Amino acid sequence: DTEVTQTPKHLVMGMTNKKSLKCEQHMGHRAMYWYKQKAKKPPELMFVYSYEKLSINESVPSRFSPECPNSSLLNLHLHALQPEDSALYLCASSQFGDPPYTFGSGTRLTVV
Amino acid sequence: LAKTTQPISMDSYEGQEVNITCSHNNIATNDYITWYQQFPSQGPRFIIQGYKTKVTNEVASLFIPADRKSSTLSLPRVSLSDTAVYYCLVGGTDDKIIFGKGTRLHILP
Repeated sequence: DTEVTQTPKHLVMGMTNKKSLKCEQHMGHRAMYWYKQKAKKPPELMFVYSYEKLSINESVPSRFSPECPNSSLLNLHLHALQPEDSALYLCASSQFGDPPYTFGSGTRLTVV
Repeated sequence: LAKTTQPISMDSYEGQEVNITCSHNNIATNDYITWYQQFPSQGPRFIIQGYKTKVTNEVASLFIPADRKSSTLSLPRVSLSDTAVYYCLVGGTDDKIIFGKGTRLHILP
């Protein structure tokens, strides 16, 4: 298995909802990443997990809460989002925190 | 962190060879150079990675001069399906990998 799987593919949520994005990989990679990408812009780094511990938080608002339950799974919990948080959320992994990185196909999030 | 600079956009024709150059003047000794391709609403897809000189795989070649301050991605005989955004990333182990603005490649028939 050489893929990073993200679910759901699409998500529409209200500003008072709580939802979660899921990312899974079975390549034995020990580093996992969340990126946010707005239309026609490059991906922006949000969080980095290394060996299941949060190593980098790029000053992301607390309404985004990452979680790494085990070495294969990465979640992003969403609460009280704003319409400007609508974007493509990408998950990636790498073997030991070194390139290359394998990206998932993303979750298209719309906040209404 | 090594900042990268690429042309914002390029046009080419089907069947041509396309070369996209990336500038990374402050590349560190342990940094690798990695290129990704991204289609709309999809995740970036790994194309090729190198450290120095030339690397070739089944889809592309990567040329890196001795000073490593730039690199060139070469796509042989492009087709319409190669229309995408191409990103050059520079970094090593445990680096914060930051995407530059990328190059929008448009292939014309």
